[in-house]
Amino acid sequence: DSGVTQTPKHLITATGQRVTLRCSPRSGDLSVYWYQQSLDQGLQFLIQYYNGEERAKGNILERFSAQQFPDLHSELNLSSLELGDSALYFCASSVAIHNEQFFGPGTRLTVL
Amino acid sequence: AQRVTQPEKLLSVFKGAPVELKCNYSYSGSPELFWYVQYSRQRLQLLLRHISRESIKGFTADLNKGETSFHLKKPFAQEEDSAMYYCAPHSDNAGNMLTFGGGTRLMVKP
Repeated sequence: DSGVTQTPKHLITATGQRVTLRCSPRSGDLSVYWYQQSLDQGLQFLIQYYNGEERAKGNILERFSAQQFPDLHSELNLSSLELGDSALYFCASSVAIHNEQFFGPGTRLTVL
Repeated sequence: AQRVTQPEKLLSVFKGAPVELKCNYSYSGSPELFWYVQYSRQRLQLLLRHISRESIKGFTADLNKGETSFHLKKPFAQEEDSAMYYCAPHSDNAGNMLTFGGGTRLMVKP
């Protein structure tokens, strides 16, 4: 177990709704990353935080936002959900910016 | 633009055959490179990094700066090697994001 936890494990919701995914990094890790994994797109980097600050941005839609809190846990907010947002959302953490990443088990989001 | 390409989405080999999963990159500077693996129903985990020059589960990967490649190789594939493999270069320039390749699904048939 890498120590990264994500909740919930599964989430089923309807189009147009808003959801929040939560990630707790490994103890001592300051950097948190969010990824989207879908069948047709592979693993897509969304956004990275380091010690509470946004560090890098990838292919994250404007309908999506994230933040990292003082206790270093992170939340990914997905709004105005569309069918195409159905995917596995992974969180990863690392000690610093360029270190090995440890992944969480993912949250499977299904938008109906 | 910085990018990583894994040209094969699916690679199917028989048990005992050699396997090579290709990864090409276009990065400025000297990237540090990783291979991650995702076994069925498990989370992604680091397989190896080029800087440590180690062999994990029989896999090796050599950074070829001339060809800008970081192919993953194993001389004799095993059924338990079946998984998704992602090539992931970091850049040593501060602030650059980690960009995974599209991934290659390796299927090792008995």
